Amino acid sequence: GIQVEQSPPDLILQEGANSTLRCNFSDSVNNLQWFHQNPWGQLINLFYIPSGTKQNGRLSATTVATERYSLLYISSSQTTDSGVYFCAVEKNAGGTSYGKLTFGQGTILTVHP
Amino acid sequence: NAGVTQTPKFQVLKTGQSMTLQCAQDMNHEYMSWYRQDPGMGLRLIHYSVGAGITDQGEVPNGYNVSRSTTEDFPLRLLSAAPSQTSVYFCASSGRWGAGEQFFGPGTRLTVL
Repeated sequence: GIQVEQSPPDLILQEGANSTLRCNFSDSVNNLQWFHQNPWGQLINLFYIPSGTKQNGRLSATTVATERYSLLYISSSQTTDSGVYFCAVEKNAGGTSYGKLTFGQGTILTVHP
Repeated sequence: NAGVTQTPKFQVLKTGQSMTLQCAQDMNHEYMSWYRQDPGMGLRLIHYSVGAGITDQGEVPNGYNVSRSTTEDFPLRLLSAAPSQTSVYFCASSGRWGAGEQFFGPGTRLTVL
């Protein structure tokens, strides 16, 4: 199956710092999503981004599908950004996406005040 | 819209007991999936469905059954619970015309003693 690797596994920041999280995947995809899992366990959709660049407030993401990686940028981090960030992909099997996601192991982000 | 709902939020079972985890969505999504999340890991796909009456296995299907009699509901059954099934279970849905972006429920934390 498709492999998904996220880096770094852990990241500790001071409030206000910027960070970049990376997701590498081993095959062509037609679905790539970034999630934030908060300390209560809830999975929050950040971006649906199988290719291109998107921005939402302090967060932005870029996926370079031809080179099989995606980046999540967090600027001016806040303590509420703490949690686990997951990248998840679905292998391109003829164009249709059924939501059969393969998750990476996640990046644990801790933001200190 | 309630989105994706799951019940119960917490459950404790004894080895060998059976139970059903409920999942419902009110977004008229065709595709629904079940994932499990073990400590320190990303989510893994158990079963998925592309429509009423159609289900298929994911990465870790053993010990679980599913059926989909309506578009809205996708229950997950544990026929004979084992300690290895202690996990957090997430249900997700996505629409055919939504390009595969998945939306997740709040999760069910299951402990098998």
